[in-house]
Amino acid sequence: QVQLQESGPGLVKPSQTLSLTCTVSGGSISSGSYYWSWIRQPAGKGLEWIGHLYTSGNTNYNPSLKSRVTISVDTSKNQFSLKLSSVTAADTAVYYCARDRSGGGYNDYWGRGTLVTVSS
Amino acid sequence: DFVMTQSPDSLAVSPGERATINCKSSQKVSYSSNNKNYLAWYQHKPGQPPKLLIYWASTRESGVPDRFSGSGSGTDFTLTISSLQAEDVAVYYCQQYYNTPWTFGQGTKVEIK
Repeated sequence: QVQLQESGPGLVKPSQTLSLTCTVSGGSISSGSYYWSWIRQPAGKGLEWIGHLYTSGNTNYNPSLKSRVTISVDTSKNQFSLKLSSVTAADTAVYYCARDRSGGGYNDYWGRGTLVTVSS
Repeated sequence: DFVMTQSPDSLAVSPGERATINCKSSQKVSYSSNNKNYLAWYQHKPGQPPKLLIYWASTRESGVPDRFSGSGSGTDFTLTISSLQAEDVAVYYCQQYYNTPWTFGQGTKVEIK
């Protein structure tokens, strides 16, 4: 059974960089034709796709965030990461990592999510 | 971006009754070449991650009870819970994966009447 777990600071100051890591267990991040996604949900709002990565290094980002987002992978640690720069209060949200089945766009396994608050 | 609009925003259904959620896309999310609709449904309970219920508009994910079904094509889609159970109380989201950025509906909250 594949499991994903997000980790990282729960509080980030405005203008700084938000950094999160997703650790994948129960399977190799490099096996299969999977993409690995980040999705967020601000309090009281809906889900927003941030972007995804294939372990070859190919990435695709939401244009609304593209100038500030980097998703990368460390296959040796079975992890992938999210960096979001120049954060503001609008970036306060629960951040989820998820597995995108075959790059098709739908996510079959999700982490439990981690709340990141942007505040001074 | 593709805008996904769900209706209603919330609904209350008696146990054992049918719940119907609609999702409308601002553009077609299907290719005529493969006759596939790039539409998924998720169930989201408080404190838990979203759970994939349906993909390709009507294919039920493994382990999902058969009271959940998806239908529709083109721009209009429906999630039906044929006989609502107490454990089905949640927010339900549709999502298009026809074109990036993938986008979600605003969610429909389902409650027990």
